[in-house]
Amino acid sequence: GAVVSQHPSRVICKSGTSVKIECRSLDFQATTMFWYRQFPKKSLMLMATSNEGSKATYEQGVEKDKFLINHASLTLSTLTVTSAHPEDSSFYICSANEGAITDTQYFGPGTRLTVL
Amino acid sequence: TQLLEQSPQFLSIQEGENLTVYCNSSSVFSSLQWYRQEPGEGPVLLVTVVTGGEVKKLKRLTFQFGDARKDSSLHITAAQPGDTGLYLCAGASPGGKLIFGQGTELSVKP
Repeated sequence: GAVVSQHPSRVICKSGTSVKIECRSLDFQATTMFWYRQFPKKSLMLMATSNEGSKATYEQGVEKDKFLINHASLTLSTLTVTSAHPEDSSFYICSANEGAITDTQYFGPGTRLTVL
Repeated sequence: TQLLEQSPQFLSIQEGENLTVYCNSSSVFSSLQWYRQEPGEGPVLLVTVVTGGEVKKLKRLTFQFGDARKDSSLHITAAQPGDTGLYLCAGASPGGKLIFGQGTELSVKP
């Protein structure tokens, strides 16, 4: 149980284009999902908290117009990197909180974004 | 601002050795999670500890949550090359956000 998927697993795009990454909870409903960014050999950096049916809450320093988050259903959240630049190249990971009992988050496999 | 200090950040040991990773904070967490991550993959949950003083064992891994719920440790007995990876501790803060430690890059050489 508690499986989270991400799609695509890797994407290469040209500078200036937009890229959408999907995060799905496969066997549970997630009222809250989280989006992280990770640099090589570093820990995870929280970008935003995504709540179903409401606007995402962004961490300080994260541009909300650059990283658009939509949480349209209890099993799907999307992150769109708009007008991507090479400095946006990174490993993006989502997680979902199973909810009721603990604050345990289950992570997706990540998406490797490379902007040329 | 809640911080979680994880140490050591890098650890290279021989197969069969024991090791301990520490996570310390001045803040109290409602729970603390330990994850293991391999390159190019997402973190995989190892354990969640909730109660102060709690000890959980997962084969050769022993996890401890401090009495005051401010610190935790992960002890690996007789490390094997398959234990190689990035170990992350994360404390749960209000609202469900996780505060991550810096991570420990473990390399176990055969």
